[in-house]
Amino acid sequence: EVQLVESGGGLVQPGRSLKLSCAASGFTFSDYNMAWVRQAPTKGLEWVASISYGGSNTHYGDSVKGRFTISRDNAKSTLYLQMDSLRSEDTATYYCARPYYSGGYFDYWGQGVMVTVSS
Amino acid sequence: DVQMTQSPYNLAASPGESVSINCKASKSISKYLAWYQQKPGKANKLLIYDGSTLQSGIPSRFSGSGSGTDFTLTIRSLEPEDFGLYYCQQHNEYPPTFGGGTKLELK
Repeated sequence: EVQLVESGGGLVQPGRSLKLSCAASGFTFSDYNMAWVRQAPTKGLEWVASISYGGSNTHYGDSVKGRFTISRDNAKSTLYLQMDSLRSEDTATYYCARPYYSGGYFDYWGQGVMVTVSS
Repeated sequence: DVQMTQSPYNLAASPGESVSINCKASKSISKYLAWYQQKPGKANKLLIYDGSTLQSGIPSRFSGSGSGTDFTLTIRSLEPEDFGLYYCQQHNEYPPTFGGGTKLELK
């Protein structure tokens, strides 16, 4: 059974950093691209970043480009999101999601982790 | 970026009824649209991809149609577990973009 379990969320002050993790199991992690998608309170879903299966290619949404870094450790089957220079508008639930190969849609999602940026 | 617009925003129905949710893209996305169900405390569930292909394990009462810019998710004979939020997402080009969501509520 595919499982994606996020961790590392919490309350952080504006301008500070936070690192999210996503532990994957139930599939060969190194065979799949991975992504982060977020959802601000009472808002819709917003794609944040994606990383290729080997980690060499990354893509970012305009709202986080230059501040967030997606990475992975295939030996640990873990996906990361380093979030720097956090802003109040980054407050959201962050989901780890698995794109189906090159299909561009997300066939598995984690349950999400909440990040609150506030002083 | 491709803008995705869903309608209606809210939808109230009773078990056994059929409902349709619409999704409109700001430009042609060919057939490349996905639908997801979101429920509190559960992982988002992929229902349909490529506009009309049912994801493995999803009941056949869910169906998708459309191409180009206009798409529809239809749920026939609603079951109690079908109530929740539904999102469309275009997977034709980067960045992937989502509709604003439709809340399907019990009447």
